[in-house]
Amino acid sequence: AQSVTQLGSHVSVSEGALVLLRCNYSSSVPPYLFWYVQYPNQGLQLLLKYTSAATLVKGINGFEAEFKKSETSFHLTKPSAHMRDAAEYFCAVSDGVGGNKLVFGAGTILRVKS
Amino acid sequence: DSGVTQTPKHLITATGQRVTLRCSPRSGDLSVYWYQQSLDQGLQFLIQYYNGEERAKGNILERFSAQQFPDLHSELNLSSLELGDSALYFCASSVTGNTEAFFGQGTRLTVV
Repeated sequence: AQSVTQLGSHVSVSEGALVLLRCNYSSSVPPYLFWYVQYPNQGLQLLLKYTSAATLVKGINGFEAEFKKSETSFHLTKPSAHMRDAAEYFCAVSDGVGGNKLVFGAGTILRVKS
Repeated sequence: DSGVTQTPKHLITATGQRVTLRCSPRSGDLSVYWYQQSLDQGLQFLIQYYNGEERAKGNILERFSAQQFPDLHSELNLSSLELGDSALYFCASSVTGNTEAFFGQGTRLTVV
């Protein structure tokens, strides 16, 4: 079975500061990993995905994530936070085999202070 | 706009009732997924269809059922509704079963 743990249900950063959202996964097969963002009253938008190509994945809006197999981690970072980054972020894992059902973490709410 | 359309956006109904949620996938996408987002359970995968056939099943209750029609739109039927079924229900679609999924805006169901 696959699972995802997101450390920190709430993260608060100042505008311009580094954003680091942590995600650890558990999977018995090579995982496909995703980060999604959810703005208030909206659906989920894909930020980036890892599918066994490059371990450093660049996504939209300046976000990137690094796959570290030894640490079973896929942390999301952004060098400089903007107010518009305030949202809830979900890490998800999929076995990518026979279906793309996603197992989501509990989510991290990012607050950006001015 | 992801291209996935869900209707209705909001639904309020009473306990014991039955509702149908509708999803139109992105043009060209063959696979449709349903997810439930609730405060206590988080985001949970319910069921996946691929080109009209059930492909994978998750934590879907027996009171819930889904289908994908020949035109590839999908419906999620929820019956004998309970207060605990109140949640945001998302539909997502992808080209195949192994490519990234694009999510609709969701249907917010409130059971009173």
